[in-house]
Amino acid sequence: GQQLNQSPQSMFIQEGEDVSMNCTSSSIFNTWLWYKQDPGEGPVLLIALYKAGELTSNGRLTAQFGITRKDSFLNISASIPSDVGIYFCALLTTDSWGKLQFGAGTQVVVTP
Amino acid sequence: NAGVTQTPKFQVLKTGQSMTLQCAQDMNHNSMYWYRQDPGMGLRLIYYSASEGTTDKGEVPNGYNVSRLNKREFSLRLESAAPSQTSVYFCASKGITYNSPLHFGNGTRLTVT
Repeated sequence: GQQLNQSPQSMFIQEGEDVSMNCTSSSIFNTWLWYKQDPGEGPVLLIALYKAGELTSNGRLTAQFGITRKDSFLNISASIPSDVGIYFCALLTTDSWGKLQFGAGTQVVVTP
Repeated sequence: NAGVTQTPKFQVLKTGQSMTLQCAQDMNHNSMYWYRQDPGMGLRLIYYSASEGTTDKGEVPNGYNVSRLNKREFSLRLESAAPSQTSVYFCASKGITYNSPLHFGNGTRLTVT
């Protein structure tokens, strides 16, 4: 089946540093999504990407849909303590029911 | 402004016991989903309901059953719990547009001993 690889698995960074994570898939998809999960809560959508090459920002977050349509990255600039959490990439499957396939997640820990 | 509500938040079961996880959404969404989250594996789809009256298997359906009781509610049942079903379970819903985002509940943490 479809392979979706997310890296790194975890990151320990100091406050103020930038963070970068990425996902690659074995197939071409039309929609990449990035979610964040705060401790003890469900995932929340951060950014949605719908077109190859698309670069979208949401505050200190920037995500890009790779031109091959098989990869995406998420950058967080000038990290702050509330950036702690698990970040997931997700692909929207091609059937009409909008099922998501999730990457394994990147655990981000921010130290003061 | 509840969104997606899951109950209970925590549950401990013994092997072989049964239970039902409840999920309700107040956003008038057509589609609802059940995912499980295990360390290092992301979220995996158990079952989904594209619309009221329909349910379909996802990636990991074995050991589970679901009921789409009405448009608001989608329950997940474990008939005979096993330790491998220890996990965090998330319910989600989405609107009718193909690429509308999933809205998740806050999860049910289940431990099977």
